[in-house]
Amino acid sequence: GDSVTQMEGPVTLSEEAFLTINCTYTATGYPSLFWYVQYPGEGLQLLLKATKADDKGSNKGFEATYRKETTSFHLEKGSVQVSDSAVYFCALSEGGGFKTIFGAGTRLFVKA
Amino acid sequence: DGGITQSPKYLFRKEGQNVTLSCEQNLNHDAMYWYRQDPGQGLRLIYYSQIVNDFQKGDIAEGYSVSREKKESFPLTVTSAQKNPTAFYLCASSIGTSGSYNEQFFGPGTRLTVL
Repeated sequence: GDSVTQMEGPVTLSEEAFLTINCTYTATGYPSLFWYVQYPGEGLQLLLKATKADDKGSNKGFEATYRKETTSFHLEKGSVQVSDSAVYFCALSEGGGFKTIFGAGTRLFVKA
Repeated sequence: DGGITQSPKYLFRKEGQNVTLSCEQNLNHDAMYWYRQDPGQGLRLIYYSQIVNDFQKGDIAEGYSVSREKKESFPLTVTSAQKNPTAFYLCASSIGTSGSYNEQFFGPGTRLTVL
């Protein structure tokens, strides 16, 4: 079945450091890919998405590129801030399907 | 403002009691979902509904029940049959259930603790 694997956390960075959170997926068709962010005690919010191969999703300085050849959707940000501290979830949704499959989440801590 | 509301934010229950978690959306979305989140884990799907008066079991439906009598409401009942109900419960909705239209909008969550 479909699945999403993302790097284990926690990831601890200093402010202004470069961030990469790896995400790979397995899917039978051509899924849409998403990154969601969860701040402490809150629900998830969509951070960015990509719906086909080579699409780049971007928002708030975060970027991720849909790489079909490597089945990956890695999240990157050039300079993190303390306010980026949160849990990040990679997810996929198959066309025609109801389910969104979520990864286990990666907790990010950013130190001032 | 459009969005999803969940109430209450914190809920305490004694063992053997049923409890109902509320979820309301004013986004005019057709699809609604309930997830369970345990510490350090991802989201697990409990139930989902694609249209009014219809719902389907997710991966961990045992011990839970839902109803979808109105488009904007999708309450979840945690029954006494649920063996380990202490968790964070998230409600979500989406325009539809296909591909990019499955972008999900989440409520703030309800933290349920069984005493």
